[in-house]
Amino acid sequence: AQSVTQLGSHVSVSEGALVLLRCNYSSSVPPYLFWYVQYPNQGLQLLLKYTSAATLVKGINGFEAEFKKSETSFHLTKPSAHMSDAAEYFCAAGGTSYGKLTFGQGTILTVHP
Amino acid sequence: GAVVSQHPSRVICKSGTSVKIECRSLDFQATTMFWYRQFPKQSLMLMATSNEGSKATYEQGVEKDKFLINHASLTLSTLTVTSAHPEDSSFYICSASSAGADNEQFFGPGTRLTVL
Repeated sequence: AQSVTQLGSHVSVSEGALVLLRCNYSSSVPPYLFWYVQYPNQGLQLLLKYTSAATLVKGINGFEAEFKKSETSFHLTKPSAHMSDAAEYFCAAGGTSYGKLTFGQGTILTVHP
Repeated sequence: GAVVSQHPSRVICKSGTSVKIECRSLDFQATTMFWYRQFPKQSLMLMATSNEGSKATYEQGVEKDKFLINHASLTLSTLTVTSAHPEDSSFYICSASSAGADNEQFFGPGTRLTVL
């Protein structure tokens, strides 16, 4: 069964600092990979997705992620954190039957002034 | 594009009553819709997958008689929580996908259910 692991349930950065949220997946076949952001009491918004095209994927709000097959990783980065980036972030993998997604546990990002 | 709505956004009901939550894809045809449940500070737990015109496929441990799912059209799926109890209180999120969407799911804004 496919699994997704997000290292670090909480990440705290200063405004303007680099954001790095880690995601590793387990799959014998490179899956579709997604990063979603969730603000309190809201649904999930897609930040970016990997679908076997370019390994470096650029998303909205200045986020990007790099697919590394050798490391089975899909870490999310942003060069400079903004206060509005404070939210919970979910990594997800698809490519299994019926379009199901497997979600990681989520990482809460806190941005300090 | 790819907007999914949910109604209601928040509902409070008494124990023993039933609650219906609607999920609509506003600008695309959703061949598949998914229902998730999210507990505070936890990830999303997939409850069931539904395809238009067919019975929903429930995940292990989810009571199909308690959580009734209907996907009557390509733009509407409903989740009915029957005989709700306080332990059913949660945040319910639906998502929708269309054929050929590379597994991408478009999420609704969620429904906060509180059972008193």
